[in-house]
Amino acid sequence: GAVVSQHPSWVICKSGTSVKIECRSLDFQATTMFWYRQFPKQSLMLMATSNEGSKATYEQGVEKDKFLINHASLTLSTLTVTSAHPEDSSFYICSARDTSGGYQETQYFGPGTRLLVL
Amino acid sequence: AQSVAQPEDQVNVAEGNPLTVKCTYSVSGNPYLFWYVQYPNRGLQFLLKYITGDNLVKGSYGFEAEFNKSQTSFHLKKPSALVSDSALYFCAVRDPNTGGFKTIFGAGTRLFVKA
Repeated sequence: GAVVSQHPSWVICKSGTSVKIECRSLDFQATTMFWYRQFPKQSLMLMATSNEGSKATYEQGVEKDKFLINHASLTLSTLTVTSAHPEDSSFYICSARDTSGGYQETQYFGPGTRLLVL
Repeated sequence: AQSVAQPEDQVNVAEGNPLTVKCTYSVSGNPYLFWYVQYPNRGLQFLLKYITGDNLVKGSYGFEAEFNKSQTSFHLKKPSALVSDSALYFCAVRDPNTGGFKTIFGAGTRLFVKA
């Protein structure tokens, strides 16, 4: 099946610094990627929808200036957590839509990035 | 608005026994339904989906799910559980008519399979 990678897999940073997380679709092109946040023992919370070549669409309550999303190519989306604080510590997961099957589209997920802000 | 519910936080089953993980949904139109599995500290792995066609959908690792429109359910099943099936399972729904490309996930059900 389709493969989505994320880098880094984990990161520890100091409060106030910025962290960039990359999401790549390795064997398919993805016009749309999604960024989720998952708290321990909880479900995935959709943060934003990333569209190639245009601005991301953020969910209600998600600060667009804090979570910067760039989808510069059909295989790469990046999430930058700016001025990170301890409450931003979480597991961040990206996914990409594989539409090669027409309407039989499926989302494929990256392995996740665990962020710890000290 | 679309929503999905997984009524059980945890399901326990003995190895070799059949397993069922329940999921119900609410959408205004015809739903796209998905099941994903998550192992510790990993992303989600796609198991199966229902878009249209046969109500019984077969997926990866011997899992299957049955779409029941009248009961608005999409329960995940496997005839014979393995210890390695122990993981966190998520049901998800998308309403292509009103929800765009947004997929909503249930809270997840943790499956424990005892040897």
